[in-house]
Amino acid sequence: KNQVEQSPQSLIILEGKNCTLQCNYTVSPFSNLRWYKQDTGRGPVSLTIMTFSENTKSNGRYTATLDADTKQSSLHITASQLSDSASYICVVSLSYNTDKLIFGTGTRLQVFP
Amino acid sequence: EPEVTQTPSHQVTQMGQEVILRCVPISNHLYFYWYRQILGQKVEFLVSFYNNEISEKSEIFDDQFSVERPDGSNFTLKIRSTKLEDSAMYFCASSDQGEEQYFGPGTRLTVT
Repeated sequence: KNQVEQSPQSLIILEGKNCTLQCNYTVSPFSNLRWYKQDTGRGPVSLTIMTFSENTKSNGRYTATLDADTKQSSLHITASQLSDSASYICVVSLSYNTDKLIFGTGTRLQVFP
Repeated sequence: EPEVTQTPSHQVTQMGQEVILRCVPISNHLYFYWYRQILGQKVEFLVSFYNNEISEKSEIFDDQFSVERPDGSNFTLKIRSTKLEDSAMYFCASSDQGEEQYFGPGTRLTVT
């Protein structure tokens, strides 16, 4: 079954600290992996998209890694800010049907001053 | 910066009633999507739409659901006879080449 699992479920950190969120997927055949940020009550906003041939991609303070062999990805947030408080969702698409995105349950990140 | 908009932001309806959720995708985009997110759960794909027809739909998207692009700018999701379990946040998304999808702010549907 095509699934995307994320850990931890929730995370609390202090402003200025770094953190790393994990994603494991069983989606096959795999096309690409995306990380989205979702503020409470809002739509997801794309942070990074990686194909199977890419193993790292950055977007400002966000750096995503991908290991297509072990089917794992991580999202590293550097020097966290209060505005980073949100859910971070790992999303995978199938190579034969890139329309249909498969979402993880997300990691709820809270950044405190 | 162009963005996807959705109306209404919150819709309350009684069980059995029909609802239409509206979306205005980004103007030059060609691919359109609807997703739903039940409170506390993951986002789920409902349907994708391209070239005036459905290109893919999930098991959730049964005969009670339909989509339409009536006038070249709006993209609507209709639920014919709402059930309590249809209560969720509904997100519209659009894409220009089927890769990066841009999501709207969502419509919260409450069925009582």
